[in-house]
Amino acid sequence: AQRVTQPEKLLSVFKGAPVELKCNYSYSGSPELFWYVQYSRQRLQLLLRHISRESIKGFTADLNKGETSFHLKKPFAQEEDSAMYYCALSVGKRGGSNYKLTFGKGTLLTVNP
Amino acid sequence: EAGVAQSPRYKIIEKRQSVAFWCNPISGHATLYWYQQILGQGPKLLIQFQNNGVVDDSQLPKDRFSAERLKGVDSTLKIQPAKLEDSAVYLCASSHRTGGYEQYFGPGTRLTVT
Repeated sequence: AQRVTQPEKLLSVFKGAPVELKCNYSYSGSPELFWYVQYSRQRLQLLLRHISRESIKGFTADLNKGETSFHLKKPFAQEEDSAMYYCALSVGKRGGSNYKLTFGKGTLLTVNP
Repeated sequence: EAGVAQSPRYKIIEKRQSVAFWCNPISGHATLYWYQQILGQGPKLLIQFQNNGVVDDSQLPKDRFSAERLKGVDSTLKIQPAKLEDSAVYLCASSHRTGGYEQYFGPGTRLTVT
């Protein structure tokens, strides 16, 4: 069965410092990986997905199949980045009915001024 | 476009009582999901609908949980009878279609079972 591990429950950095939120997964096939974010008093929302290979709000994440990791990085953290971040994995055939998300437990990022 | 709507936002019940949650997905979204998020954990999929048919309910505790999506739009999730361990946030999400399309989440219903 697939599993997503986010080893840090809490991560605190200062504004302007680099930030890396770790995500490791276990799945023998070719998964799709996502980062979801929940800002204070807002809904859970998609931040980025590995197949898009894009930078959203300065964040990037690279899928490393050898290390089974999908770490989220930003070179210069901002106070507005403070939020709960969830890594998620999807297995199943894209477009198929058995395509579903498995979430990690999340990392609470706090960016201090 | 209006987002996913859920009600109630908060509910407190005693164990062994029944409770129901309602979800209205984004207009035109064929796929609807119910997740359970226990404090300190990530969301866990309970059930997935494609229009009004169930696609996946493998993690739904069917002895006490039930869900339906009549007419392929709104959905209700029911717990009967509730247990203490059912205390959680219940999230509804919808997507244009199943299979990799972005999921849009509602605000959730926070259930406390005493």
